[in-house]
Parts: sequence; C-alpha cells; structure tokens
Amino acid sequence: SAVISQKPSRDICQRGTSLTIQCQVDSQVTMMFWYRQQPGQSLTLIATANQGSEATYESGFVIDKFPISRPNLTFSTLTVSNMSPEDSSIYLCSVDGQISYNEQFFGPGTRLTVL
Amino acid sequence: KNQVEQSPQSLIILEGKNCTLQCNYTVSPFSNLRWYKQDTGRGPVSLTIMTFSENTKSNGRYTATLDADTKQSSLHITASQLSDSASYICVVTSNTGKLIFGQGTTLQVKP
Repeated sequence: SAVISQKPSRDICQRGTSLTIQCQVDSQVTMMFWYRQQPGQSLTLIATANQGSEATYESGFVIDKFPISRPNLTFSTLTVSNMSPEDSSIYLCSVDGQISYNEQFFGPGTRLTVL
Repeated sequence: KNQVEQSPQSLIILEGKNCTLQCNYTVSPFSNLRWYKQDTGRGPVSLTIMTFSENTKSNGRYTATLDADTKQSSLHITASQLSDSASYICVVTSNTGKLIFGQGTTLQVKP
C-alpha cells in the first residue's frame, strides 16, 4: 500500500484568498488524483495529475480555479484560488496503487473552511 | 447514466449487533466494485475489492457480496464494535477506469 500525507490537515481562510494543499506519497506513482468532498456528499474527482504533463480536469472544474502542480513522481499540489464559502470542503489526494484491481489509496484529506 | 446508490443513508445499531449495507449500481460494464470505510476527518480506506466474477470477499468482520446480474452489492458487518462507526462508501470502477462513488452510509455503533 501507499502512505499518503497531506498538508495542511485543515485551514480556515478568508473569502478571495488562495490556499495550496500539498500531497506527498512514500513511493513513486504514475497517476495522482485530487478529489473534493463537500459536506454530507461523496467524493467528486477534480482532476488527474500525471508527472510531466498538464493535469486533466473533470467537467465543472477549471485550471484557473484549481491549478495543479506535479513536479515529480511523489508530490503534487492543488491550489484553491479566489475562494468563496462554496469551496468549503474536504480535499483529498489519491494515488493509483498499481497493483491488481487498480486499487486507489487516499490521503487523510484537508478540511477547508472559507469564511 | 452511471450511478451508484446506497442504502440506508444512515444507520444506528448497538455494539455487538450485525448490520448489512446495500449498494445498487447502474454502471455497465464495470471493472470492479469496492467498499471503503471513511472515519470522520480521515480519507477512505479500502475494505474489499471484487471483480465482476467474484461473489463474495471477506476482510475480518466485513463481508462483501456481489450479484452482477442484479447489479447489487452488500457489506455485512458482524459483531459490530464502536470503532466501526464511520461512513461506508461503495465505489464502482467502469471499464474506462472511471470511479463512480456512492453517497455513503453513515453507521453509528452505540454502546
């Protein structure tokens, strides 16, 4: 299994500011994923980040709002830009386990509250 | 439209009792079906993974079943413990690799 850490674990931010969330994996992985989990909801995929290429965004998510970096095979960042209260969510990083069944492992999440 | 629906939305049981969570899906064809446990404030942790050809998979006190004909899965928890209190999420992977998440069932185990 992969061990994933995220920073910060939680934050309270003001409207209009930006927050960058870091995701660190203990092994090299090809694909990293960023999810959003709004209060009481299940997970929604924001984008897929591959090292050395632009992130692929899902419908409803754009790079200007959620820029992603993937500088190497063990690290990625997600920035939530120009935040509004509607961005209050848990943001989770996930990696492909690269074993049978393509299992995915999730980080502990970053709980973001926007005032 | 590919969907995954779980029931009940929430459940309260007494410690030591058994319970069964349901998952119905319309994803077709699909690659695998997974059950995750998500503790409050934590990321989801995999409990079981089943391909379309598997009928049951156990992980300790957790047993998942899959009926690919009726597109239904269940997660049975035996002899529940207080630490079982969490959200349980059913996730179906399509043949294209896309993960479709259910809304989850929130389980509360009371002493």
